[in-house]
Amino acid sequence: GAVVSQHPSWVICKSGTSVKIECRSLDFQATTMFWYRQFPKQSLMLMATSNEGSKATYEQGVEKDKFLINHASLTLSTLTVTSAHPEDSSFYICSARISAYYNEQFFGPGTRLTVL
Amino acid sequence: QKEVEQNSGPLSVPEGAIASLNCTYSDRGSQSFFWYRQYSGKSPELIMSIYSNGDKEDGRFTAQLNKASQYVSLLIRDSQPSDSATYLCAVLVANAGKSTFGDGTTLTVKP
Repeated sequence: GAVVSQHPSWVICKSGTSVKIECRSLDFQATTMFWYRQFPKQSLMLMATSNEGSKATYEQGVEKDKFLINHASLTLSTLTVTSAHPEDSSFYICSARISAYYNEQFFGPGTRLTVL
Repeated sequence: QKEVEQNSGPLSVPEGAIASLNCTYSDRGSQSFFWYRQYSGKSPELIMSIYSNGDKEDGRFTAQLNKASQYVSLLIRDSQPSDSATYLCAVLVANAGKSTFGDGTTLTVKP
């Protein structure tokens, strides 16, 4: 149980284009989903927290107009990187939390974004 | 001071030994504690969660929590080369809405 999927697993795009990444909880309903970014050899960096039906809460320094998060249902959240640039190239990982009580987070496999 | 601190390592142990990973946290209101394993190039995987003082065992893994000392540890018994990874400690403060992750400790188990 507690499986989280992400699609696509990798994407290469040209500078200036937008990329959408989907995150789905497959066998549970997630009260909250999180989006992280990780550069090579660096720590996880939380970008935003989203609750179904609510606007995402972005961490300080993360541009909400560049990284659009939509959490349309209890099993689906999307991250859209708008007007991507080479510096946005990174490993994007979502995670989902089953409940506010146990607070365990389950991570998706990640999406590797390369912007040319 | 970071909210969650871990020794960055690398920690190197021989195969079959006990690996001990440590984590300290700053907020006394922390209520939930987690250990994740992250292999190179992969996403983190939850391996242990602990909510009350004491030890919690799961197979070769034991998590230890001491809230008075604001300390949580992970012991890996009979370490295997496949345990070589970065181990992330995560802490949730009550009503915070999100867990804070440490930077991770890289463990290498040598055959």
